[in-house]
Amino acid sequence: DTEVTQTPKHLVMGMTNKKSLKCEQHMGHRAMYWYKQKAKKPPELMFVYSYEKLSINESVPSRFSPECPNSSLLNLHLHALQPEDSALYLCASSPHWLAVNEQFFGPGTRLTVL
Amino acid sequence: QKEVEQNSGPLSVPEGAIASLNCTYSDRGSQSFFWYRQYSGKSPELIMFIYSNGDKEDGRFTAQLNKASQYVSLLIRDSQPSDSATYLCAVNGVGSSNTGKLIFGQGTTLQVKP
Repeated sequence: DTEVTQTPKHLVMGMTNKKSLKCEQHMGHRAMYWYKQKAKKPPELMFVYSYEKLSINESVPSRFSPECPNSSLLNLHLHALQPEDSALYLCASSPHWLAVNEQFFGPGTRLTVL
Repeated sequence: QKEVEQNSGPLSVPEGAIASLNCTYSDRGSQSFFWYRQYSGKSPELIMFIYSNGDKEDGRFTAQLNKASQYVSLLIRDSQPSDSATYLCAVNGVGSSNTGKLIFGQGTTLQVKP
């Protein structure tokens, strides 16, 4: 299994809602990542988890809260988002962090904040 | 100077031609280099990675790395309309602020015309 899965595919939420994005991989990878991508821009790193511990937080606003319940799962909890947070949210995984290895992306969640 | 630079394009080639995509990077300490293909509205897909100077071939794709010139390229032979996409060059980050991150270029849009 060489796949990263993400749910939901699409999400529309109001500014007062609380929602969660989910990511799962079964490749035995020990590093997982959240990225945000706006149209016609490259992915922007948000968070990195290595061995289920938060290793990088790219000064992301607290309305985004990551969680890594186990080595296969990564969640991103959303609360009180702003319309400018509308974007494609990508999860990725790699065998190890801080090593020369490839990152594999999931299909993404298209988020619209009204 | 941007850390990873790509010409945004669009690069337009006729079907059957060779498409040449180029990328330069600023940090001499970078060790690993990746090419991702991203179709409109989809997530990035890893198509090539290269760690050593020289050429690496995989089917119609050839990645070329020249560390002395800090230059990496992707050649697509026998280009097909289905190759039309944005190609993202990514380089492993080094130094205190970039270690553990993939540094992306802005991407080059390739159009293959039938």
